[in-house]
Amino acid sequence: AQTVTQSQPEMSVQEAETVTLSCTYDTSENNYYLFWYKQPPSRQMILVIRQEAYKQQNATENRFSVNFQKAAKSFSLKISDSQLGDTAMYFCASKSNSGYALNFGKGTSLLVTP
Amino acid sequence: DSGVTQTPKHLITATGQRVTLRCSPRSGDLSVYWYQQSLDQGLQFLIQYYNGEERAKGNILERFSAQQFPDLHSELNLSSLELGDSALYFCASSVAWNRANEQFFGPGTRLTVL
Repeated sequence: AQTVTQSQPEMSVQEAETVTLSCTYDTSENNYYLFWYKQPPSRQMILVIRQEAYKQQNATENRFSVNFQKAAKSFSLKISDSQLGDTAMYFCASKSNSGYALNFGKGTSLLVTP
Repeated sequence: DSGVTQTPKHLITATGQRVTLRCSPRSGDLSVYWYQQSLDQGLQFLIQYYNGEERAKGNILERFSAQQFPDLHSELNLSSLELGDSALYFCASSVAWNRANEQFFGPGTRLTVL
């Protein structure tokens, strides 16, 4: 089974600044998938970014990028030019190549302040 | 809007009762996943169906059951409800059941057991 750990329960950042959310995971598999989901106050789960473990290049989606360190089993999310609408819970998740479900971390609550 | 619908949005019931949560996947998606989000357990995978057949089970209690119908909608049945069953229940869908198929989440059903 894969486990996902998010060590930062809460973080805050000022608007227009950059913030990095940490995530570590544990897996015995060589190929797997990693995700960051955003859950705003509306409670909707929204996929932010996805990384395939066999790809060395870090994924990027507009202001969101990841730092994927496979040997260290680390998968951090960087949000650049933070906006008020980025205020949300952020969940790191993993999925094995042979598995079906997402394994979620406990989440990091991010507050973006003016 | 993810295209996944869930009804009802809110459900309030008493201990010992039975409820049914409904999910309609995105058009074309054959796989449905159920997740439970609670304060103490976080986001947990419950069960997955693919094209009408059960594919995987997670931390689903014996008091809970699910099924996927020929029109691909799914229902999650929760019986002999306890206070600890109060949670947000998400349905997600994906095109297939393996690899990195993105899971699209519905808005969730908030269950409160009094």
